Amino acid sequence: RKEVEQDPGPFNVPEGATVAFNCTYSNSASQSFFWYRQDCRKEPKLLMSVYSSGNEDGRFTAQLNRASQYISLLIRDSKLSDSATYLCVVNSDNDMRFGAGTRLTVKP
Amino acid sequence: DAMVIQNPRYQVTQFGKPVTLSCSQTLNHNVMYWYQQKSSQAPKLLFHYYDKDFNNEADTPDNFQSRRPNTSFCFLDIRSPGLGDAAMYLCATSREGSTDTQYFGPGTRLTVL
Repeated sequence: RKEVEQDPGPFNVPEGATVAFNCTYSNSASQSFFWYRQDCRKEPKLLMSVYSSGNEDGRFTAQLNRASQYISLLIRDSKLSDSATYLCVVNSDNDMRFGAGTRLTVKP
Repeated sequence: DAMVIQNPRYQVTQFGKPVTLSCSQTLNHNVMYWYQQKSSQAPKLLFHYYDKDFNNEADTPDNFQSRRPNTSFCFLDIRSPGLGDAAMYLCATSREGSTDTQYFGPGTRLTVL
């Protein structure tokens, strides 16, 4: 079983749609959680950290369920510029594990 | 202003010919990481430095070595590149580690002929 698993997609959605990505992780001792965004042939960039109580940043909402070892990312009102690969990242004592990413394409 | 700089951006080497990739940072972060990312795959952590303390991932091949001569610079040495080592190599930094954001450089794309 992979340490961090994501649905690879691709997710193809129209502008304005709401889309949700899921991620599961295997290490119950994991301490911190992030969503990164990676554009084609570019480096990953932090989208948002994921906190236990859940957190929101504009159109983006992240949730963490430690009991189920599950993280989610919700994007509301999708924009064309949201098209990218979204990487789930789980960290335990500097041991960073990335998911393979979920590819999103937002179409006009 | 660039905060994590990688040179070169594109590197071509021959099978078996040693190559060194460079990373520098202007953030004065304690932790520096090297990742390997192949097409459509997750970045895979090779090793990281917490200050001068080197931490190797268990499954990182011996062919990969790293040096961190000072806070700002970190190098990835590939002693005998094979065709399977062709990938994007990403350097990242974080201030302290586990709960901190990682900042990535633009990567070096390595081609092995």
